[in-house]
Amino acid sequence: AQSVTQLGSHVSVSEGALVLLRCNYSSSVPPYLFWYVQYPNQGLQLLLKYTSAATLVKGINGFEAEFKKSETSFHLTKPSAHMSDAAEYFCAVSPSGFQKLVFGTGTRLLVSP
Amino acid sequence: NAGVTQTPKFQVLKTGQSMTLQCAQDMNHEYMSWYRQDPGMGLRLIHYSVGAGITDQGEVPNGYNVSRSTTEDFPLRLLSAAPSQTSVYFCASNNAGSGNTQYFGPGTRLTVL
Repeated sequence: AQSVTQLGSHVSVSEGALVLLRCNYSSSVPPYLFWYVQYPNQGLQLLLKYTSAATLVKGINGFEAEFKKSETSFHLTKPSAHMSDAAEYFCAVSPSGFQKLVFGTGTRLLVSP
Repeated sequence: NAGVTQTPKFQVLKTGQSMTLQCAQDMNHEYMSWYRQDPGMGLRLIHYSVGAGITDQGEVPNGYNVSRSTTEDFPLRLLSAAPSQTSVYFCASNNAGSGNTQYFGPGTRLTVL
């Protein structure tokens, strides 16, 4: 069965600092991996996804993530945080060819001036 | 193109009452899913459908019923609401061509007293 672990329920950074949100997955088959963002009182919006093409995936709003099979990781990064990045971020995994998503518990990103 | 729509946005029920959460999509997606979001637990899959007339259980199906009579609509029914069903409910849709990318509705916040 697939599962996702997100380390840190809250991450605090200063505006302009590096953002690093961690995600480790377990999957018995090559997975699809996703990062979604949820702004307050809104639904989930796709940031980026990995589908076995390039291991470095670029998404919207300057975010990117690198798939590392040896570490079973898919960490999300952004070089310079902006106040508007404050939100909750979810990592999710899905086995290729299926539609079901398994989500991590989420990481709330706090950005201070 | 409205995407995925959900009604109502907010609902308060008393224990034992029944209600239906509505979900509709106008993207002609084959797959639709219902998730619930609880603090510290991420999103968990309740039920999903791979096409009209076909539904299946997800991770937390107890207390919920679904049906899929049309491609566009996927209502979620609570037959006898319980306080444990207090949550935010999200509907999502996707198709095989979207590479498992799910598109989420804005959510329904349900409180059961």
